[in-house]
Amino acid sequence: QKEVEQNSGPLSVPEGAIASLNCTYSDRGSQSFFWYRQYSGKSPELIMSIYSNGDKEDGRFTAQLNKASQYVSLLIRDSQPSDSATYLCAGFIAGKSTFGDGTTLTVKP
Amino acid sequence: DVKVTQSSRYLVKRTGEKVFLECVQDMDHENMFWYRQDPGLGLRLIYFSYDVKMKEKGDIPEGYSVSREKKERFSLILESASTNQTSMYLCASSFLTRGEDTQYFGPGTRLTVL
Repeated sequence: QKEVEQNSGPLSVPEGAIASLNCTYSDRGSQSFFWYRQYSGKSPELIMSIYSNGDKEDGRFTAQLNKASQYVSLLIRDSQPSDSATYLCAGFIAGKSTFGDGTTLTVKP
Repeated sequence: DVKVTQSSRYLVKRTGEKVFLECVQDMDHENMFWYRQDPGLGLRLIYFSYDVKMKEKGDIPEGYSVSREKKERFSLILESASTNQTSMYLCASSFLTRGEDTQYFGPGTRLTVL
């Protein structure tokens, strides 16, 4: 079992819809979690980080962490074509970040 | 703004050559990382370093070595390049604080080994 697993994609949503990206992790000692966005041909860039149970909102993005169930999610409201990218979930586990394989999101106009 | 730079965007080498990939960050970060990214395999950690002259093996260190002589510079070395090392190589740095580990990535080096 991988330490960080993301729901397999690709994911396609229409413009204006909510996109939901999910991630599970295996190590209960994980301290913090990150969502990175990677456009095709570019390097990953941080969107959000979350350390505590519950929701964290930043504009159209909401990260959710549930440590009891060991999952992290990212909701993108009012999805735009510019949100089309691969989204990487990462957990800070055993002193280093471990990345999921990514979920590719396409937002169709 | 944090800036992480990598010496080359594209590199073509021949099998058996020694290859150096350089990474420099300007934010005084203690931590630096080298990853490779391949389709369907995600980001895989090769080596990382928490301090000058310090290095730790990641998940796939075989065939690679690293050097960190100065805090801002972290080099990845392919001692004898092979075709299965054709990949996108990403360098990252971070400032580790209270369990946070936001990583800032360089633009990447796409290496092709012929």
